[in-house]
This record gives sequence, C-alpha cells and structure tokens, in this order.
Amino acid sequence: GDSVTQMEGPVTLSEEAFLTINCTYTATGYPSLFWYVQYPGEGLQLLLKATKADDKGSNKGFEATYRKETTSFHLEKGSVQVSDSAVYFCALTPDSWGKFQFGAGTQVVVTP
Amino acid sequence: GAVVSQHPSRVICKSGTSVKIECRSLDFQATTMFWYRQFPKQSLMLMATSNEGSKATYEQGVEKDKFLINHASLTLSTLTVTSAHPEDSSFYICSARGGGGRTDTQYFGPGTRLTVL
Repeated sequence: GDSVTQMEGPVTLSEEAFLTINCTYTATGYPSLFWYVQYPGEGLQLLLKATKADDKGSNKGFEATYRKETTSFHLEKGSVQVSDSAVYFCALTPDSWGKFQFGAGTQVVVTP
Repeated sequence: GAVVSQHPSRVICKSGTSVKIECRSLDFQATTMFWYRQFPKQSLMLMATSNEGSKATYEQGVEKDKFLINHASLTLSTLTVTSAHPEDSSFYICSARGGGGRTDTQYFGPGTRLTVL
C-alpha cells in the first residue's frame, strides 16, 4: 500500500540555519504530495503541496519539489526562525477523495 | 482561515466506559470529515471517513462497533469510543473537507488526547 517515510527528529537548529527534512513515498499511480505543519497546541495546517511531477510547492520560505524519479518530496528552508519550531508532516493522497497517508512527523526545534 | 475544533482536548476515563469526541467545522459546511489516530512518535492513521447523512466508511482493521461515528450535520461529527480500554489511549484528530472535493481544502482539528486507565 501507499506509505510515507520521513526523517526522524527532533531536528535542532540555530536561527538562520538551513533546514532540510527528507521525505520519500511509495504509491501506485500519481499521488498529490503535501507538507503539513503542527504548532504546539494547534491543528495541522497545510504548508505547501504539489500535485504532479516536477511541481514545486512553496510557502513562507519553505519549498519542496515533487521528484517522481526519486519518489521524494524533501522540505527545505534557507533560513529558519524560532517561530518555525513545530512538527512537520509529509503526506500524500492518491486520489481526490482526501484520504491522507501521513509520515511520522519530524519535530523541528530552532534555538535563538 | 477555516477552523475546526475538537472537544474535549483531553479526556481521562476508566476502562470500560465510553467516551465521545466532537469535531466541529466552525465557519464552513463540511460534507466529509475524517478521523485519524496518532500513536506517540508515529503517523496519523486514518480510521474512517464520515459523510454527512450516511454511514461512515471504516479503514481495514478498525472496529466499527468500537469506534462509532456519527455525522449528523454539516458542521458536526462525533467519534464515540465504546467500552474503552488502555490500548485505546491515543491522540485522535479529525479533519473536515468542504464542498468542491479539493483535497487541499481540508482542515484539521487540534486533536483530543484520550487516556484510558
């Protein structure tokens, strides 16, 4: 079945450092790929998405490119802030019905 | 943006009791709601899909008689954990999708932490 694997956390960074969170997937067909972020005490928020190969999703300085050849959707940000401290979830949905398959989540801690 | 609430945010109950968790879409009508379960340091696992006015569709391995889902209105879905046991302790998250069917217009609640003693 479909699955998502993302790097384990926590990832601890200093402010202004470069962030990469690896995400790979297995799926039949052509899934849509997502990154969600969960701040402490809040629900999951959509961070960015890509619906087809070579699409790049971007939002709030974060980027991820849909790489079909490597089945990856790595999340990157060039200069993190303390406010980026959160748990990040990579996810896919294989169709339009909205059934998400989530990765385990990666906690990111950014220190001043 | 759209908001989804869950109530309660945290509940502790004795083994054998039933617990009801509410999921509400506060400013939009949710034709479809999803219920997820998350174990510590693990993925969110989809439990069931709830469509307003019809029976929920459960994922393989989820006991429908244990996890009762009711989607009685376009803004409310409830998950009742019946005869709860310690192994049911988990973090339960709902999400709500509005009309139009776009998968990215799906909003997640903050989750409910259930602890069964």
